[in-house]
Amino acid sequence: GAVVSQHPSWVICKSGTSVKIECRSLDFQATTMFWYRQFPKQSLMLMATSNEGSKATYEQGVEKDKFLINHASLTLSTLTVTSAHPEDSSFYICSASDATYEQYFGPGTRLTVT
Amino acid sequence: QQPVQSPQAVILREGEDAVINCSSSKALYSVHWYRQKHGEAPVFLMILLKGGEQKGHDKISASFNEKKQQSSLYLTASQLSYSGTYFCGTGGVFTDKLIFGTGTRLQVFP
Repeated sequence: GAVVSQHPSWVICKSGTSVKIECRSLDFQATTMFWYRQFPKQSLMLMATSNEGSKATYEQGVEKDKFLINHASLTLSTLTVTSAHPEDSSFYICSASDATYEQYFGPGTRLTVT
Repeated sequence: QQPVQSPQAVILREGEDAVINCSSSKALYSVHWYRQKHGEAPVFLMILLKGGEQKGHDKISASFNEKKQQSSLYLTASQLSYSGTYFCGTGGVFTDKLIFGTGTRLQVFP
């Protein structure tokens, strides 16, 4: 149980385009979903927290207009990187919580912006 | 503020033991431990809640000292599969979001 999927697994896009990443909880309803970004050899940095039906809460320093988060249902959250640039290239990971203090992580999406 | 883990890196031979520490400057309600292999998402190991918990599974155990705002992960009789980067994630009282520590890279050799 407690499986979280992400799609796509990897994406290569050109600078200036937008990319959407999906995060789904497959076998449970996620009260909260989290989005992280991880650069090579670094820790996971929390970008934002999202609850179904409400606006995401962004961490300090994360641009809301650049990283659009939509939490459409209790099983789906999406992260859209708008007008992507090479410095946005990173490993993006989502996690989902069912309010039991545990977070279940998706497999991650590797974004490369050329 | 990001929790600080020590050591930053550990090299072990199979069968040796290791301790990884996680120290926070903020009051903690929970500590989560994860292991991440290169290019993969973190894998949940265990969670400890406020109350001075100690917990273990197989040869991996952990303790949580909320007075000192610290947690330690104990790996005994290490196996090759233990190689990876270990992260602690700390949770506050009124939030379920986690702040991940600086990470400890563990390599186990035959």
